[in-house]
Order: sequence, then structure tokens, then C-alpha cells
Amino acid sequence: DVKVTQSSRYLVKRTGEKVFLECVQDMDHENMFWYRQDPGLGLRLIYFSYDVKMKEKGDIPEGYSVSREKKERFSLILESASTNQTSMYLCASSKITGAFATNEKLFFGSGTQLSVL
Amino acid sequence: AQSVTQLGSHVSVSEGALVLLRCNYSSSVPPYLFWYVQYPNQGLQLLLKYTTGATLVKGINGFEAEFKKSETSFHLTKPSAHMSDAAEYFCAVRGNSGGSNYKLTFGKGTLLTVNP
Repeated sequence: DVKVTQSSRYLVKRTGEKVFLECVQDMDHENMFWYRQDPGLGLRLIYFSYDVKMKEKGDIPEGYSVSREKKERFSLILESASTNQTSMYLCASSKITGAFATNEKLFFGSGTQLSVL
Repeated sequence: AQSVTQLGSHVSVSEGALVLLRCNYSSSVPPYLFWYVQYPNQGLQLLLKYTTGATLVKGINGFEAEFKKSETSFHLTKPSAHMSDAAEYFCAVRGNSGGSNYKLTFGKGTLLTVNP
């Protein structure tokens, strides 16, 4: 089965620190995504990538950047962490699909709960 | 542009009762629609999806959903709730053309509680 692995389950950082969240998938998926999940707000897309070195902004990219140097790895970077970035971060991947995505499915990691103090 | 609205952030049912979780969507192009489930301390997993063809789709664990274009709805149902169904459920939509191909938009989620 597909496995999406996020490097940390819990992370505590201080305001102003540079934070790296790592995600690795083992099924050769082209698409990778970073979401944040907050109570009452659901999942909101931060960034996604549909190929190595390619990235596109999602709905809430401010304060974040990403890196995709290898197909299996997608990193989320908080350049200067702030308290409003305390959240659950979910990574996901999927096989590339065209207009008729009859076999589309996102595979999620278990999440990283980030607390910024 | 696309969006989903899940009616009810929290739904509580008794074991054995009907489960109905509501989702309405907005999309400028024919939508693909999904339901994902998140069990405690886990990531999301796909329950079912509608892309094309039959409007009544069946998923895992006895869940099903019906795409109703006239009502812009994709409600999730299960005839008889089980304790193990307690989880948070997310409806999601994406367009099937143009730059929206890769991006899912999720609803805010509905927490399902099942009482013994």
C-alpha cells in the first residue's frame, strides 16, 4: 500500500525559528500537497507540486515556502515561524491524472502537529 | 472557482440509526466530488468519489453518496451506524478541466459521534 511519511508527529518551535516539515512518499507519485488543518476550518491547501522542482501556490501560501528536489520528497518551510502557524500539517500525494480522473485518490500522511510558542 | 459547504459541524446518531452527512458544492465546471474520512490521530482516507457515470456511488464500510446536479449536492449516507464510524468526514470538490486539475477544495468537516 502507498505510504506517505511525515518526519515528525509533534513539533514545538519558538517564534522566529525556521522550521522544516518533511514528507516522503514511496509510490512514485507525481503530485504532492501540503495542507493545514484547523478546527472549524477544515483543510486548506498551502502549496502543491505536480513535478520535481515545480510548485504552485494553494489558498494560503503566505508565510510558507516549499521545496521539491526529488520526486519522493516534498518539504514545507516556515521561514520565520509565528504563533498563528500553530496547526496540524498534512502532506498528501497522488498519481498524476488528466481530465478524467476515474482513479484519482489522495494518500495522506498522519500529520505533524506544530506548536509555535 | 469551486467550494463545498458541509451542513452541520457535528452530527450525533445512535448505533444502528441512519447516518446522513450533508454536502453542497459550487463549481464553474462539472465537478469531481469526494468524501474522505479521518479517524482520530490519523490522516485522511478516501471513502468514495464521483467522477462520471452512475450518480449513486458506493464506498467502503457501507457508505454511499448520490450526486444530484439539480441540487448541487453530494450527501453521504449509511443505513445503520456502527460505533467504528465515529470520525470526522470531509467533502471535497475539484473541477475537471484547466488549472484546477490538481487541486481539491475541502469542506470544513463534520464530526460524527455514534452513541451506544
